[in-house]
Amino acid sequence: DAGVTQSPTHLIKTRGQQVTLRCSPKSGHDTVSWYQQALGQGPQFIFQYYEEEERQRGNFPDRFSGHQFPNYSSELNVNALLLGDSALYLCASSRQEDSGANVLTFGAGSRLTVL
Amino acid sequence: GEDVEQSLFLSVREGDSSVINCTYTDSSSTYLYWYKQEPGAGLQLLTYIFSNMDMKQDQRLTVLLNKKDKHLSLRIADTQTGDSAIYFCAERKGYGGSQGNLIFGKGTKLSVKP
Repeated sequence: DAGVTQSPTHLIKTRGQQVTLRCSPKSGHDTVSWYQQALGQGPQFIFQYYEEEERQRGNFPDRFSGHQFPNYSSELNVNALLLGDSALYLCASSRQEDSGANVLTFGAGSRLTVL
Repeated sequence: GEDVEQSLFLSVREGDSSVINCTYTDSSSTYLYWYKQEPGAGLQLLTYIFSNMDMKQDQRLTVLLNKKDKHLSLRIADTQTGDSAIYFCAERKGYGGSQGNLIFGKGTKLSVKP
């Protein structure tokens, strides 16, 4: 089982550019959540996708958008990049039908640097 | 203020016990989690506890929950140098798969000296 895989692992962009990050969930998982982890901080929830729809959203501007595909994989898009968008972006997958603890499995993340 | 608070640093000697503390503010939290993050890596789930439990033990890990004081702790017995990492406390509100939003603390950096 490959677990959650994310790409790319590292990337550098300049202010104003756009970026797309990709995530493949763990086998058997159908729900994908995205988190932003700034340096020295805990992860912050961006949004969650299930059945190709955004189900929940954290306190992030509309510049952050996403997509989920029929195979459950997901993309995170960030437009008009700001210096403050520099962070580790973590993807986490889970199973919607799991009640209870609904444990999230995290990927290793994509580290975005905005210059 | 922060929903979840943790002390930022903890240093222990190899073989000692480590205790990492966390406080949270929302009494409606249903589950509380401990995650471990090693340098350059994602988050690894260590353990979790349901809010109606007081304690959970899993090998070297013991989680204590004081719901009245909204205090959670993680004890690592016989701490090893491989335990050096950042430990995150997280709370989750609500039930079911749709409630995937975890609220994390800033993390406690554990340093284990040989």
